Amino acid sequence: EVQLVESGGGLVQPGGSLRLSCVASGFTLNANWMHWVRQAPGKGLMWVSRINTDGSITTYADSVKGRFTISRDNAKNTVYLQMNSLKDEDTAVYYCARDRNFCSSVSCGRWVDPWGQGTLVTVSS
Amino acid sequence: DIQMTQSPSSLSASVGDRVTITCRASQTVSTNLNWYQQKPGKAPKILIYTASSLATGVPSRFSGSGSGTDFTLTISSLQPEDFATYYCQQSYSSRWAFGQGTKVEIK
Repeated sequence: EVQLVESGGGLVQPGGSLRLSCVASGFTLNANWMHWVRQAPGKGLMWVSRINTDGSITTYADSVKGRFTISRDNAKNTVYLQMNSLKDEDTAVYYCARDRNFCSSVSCGRWVDPWGQGTLVTVSS
Repeated sequence: DIQMTQSPSSLSASVGDRVTITCRASQTVSTNLNWYQQKPGKAPKILIYTASSLATGVPSRFSGSGSGTDFTLTISSLQPEDFATYYCQQSYSSRWAFGQGTKVEIK
C-alpha cells in the first residue's frame, strides 16, 4: 500500500523553527517529485513547496520563500520541510503528497496522489 | 503567479441533483487542471486530473471539462457520500495554486 506519514508538528513560538518529516512506503521515493501543501484552520489548501527526485530542484510559494527549505533523503525514504522564522499565519495542517504525471500525445499533466494524514503546526506565543 | 477562482464558494443540493462547480484561471493553464475532494478531518483525494481524466476508483458520476482558463467539475447525480469540499488546482506553472474551494452541503 502506498502511504505517506508526516510527523514533527507541534506548538512553536513566533520566530521559532520546526522540521517536518514525511516517510514514504509502498513505492520508490527516489522516482517521484514530492510536495508540501498546508491548510490553515477552517481555510482552503495552499501549495507550499516541491522538490525533484534528487533534490537538485526546489520551488517555493512566495509567502514561505527564504524561510522554509524542502529536502529529501531517498535512502531513508523521507522528505523534510525545515521551517524557520515562523509566523502566526504559518499555523496550519501540513500535508506531504506524491507528485504524479502523465503525458499523452499532445500534452502532459501533473497532480498529487496520495496525501499523508497531515501534521498540525501551531505558531503562537 | 496564476490565481484560481472557484464558484460558487458553497452550494446546497439534494441527493440525485446534478451539480456543477466552475474554476477560472487568471491566465491559461492549458489542461493542467486537477480537482480534489476533501471531507472534514481528512486529507484531500484526487478526483480528476488533466482537466478531464477520471482518477482510479472515482465513480463515473464525476466528470471534468475545459481548457485554457475555464473549467467545470460536474457530479451527474449527487450521492450522500459526495457532500464535501472540492478544490481545483493548476499545475501549469512551477508554483502550483489551488482554488478557494466549494463546499457542497445537504439541502
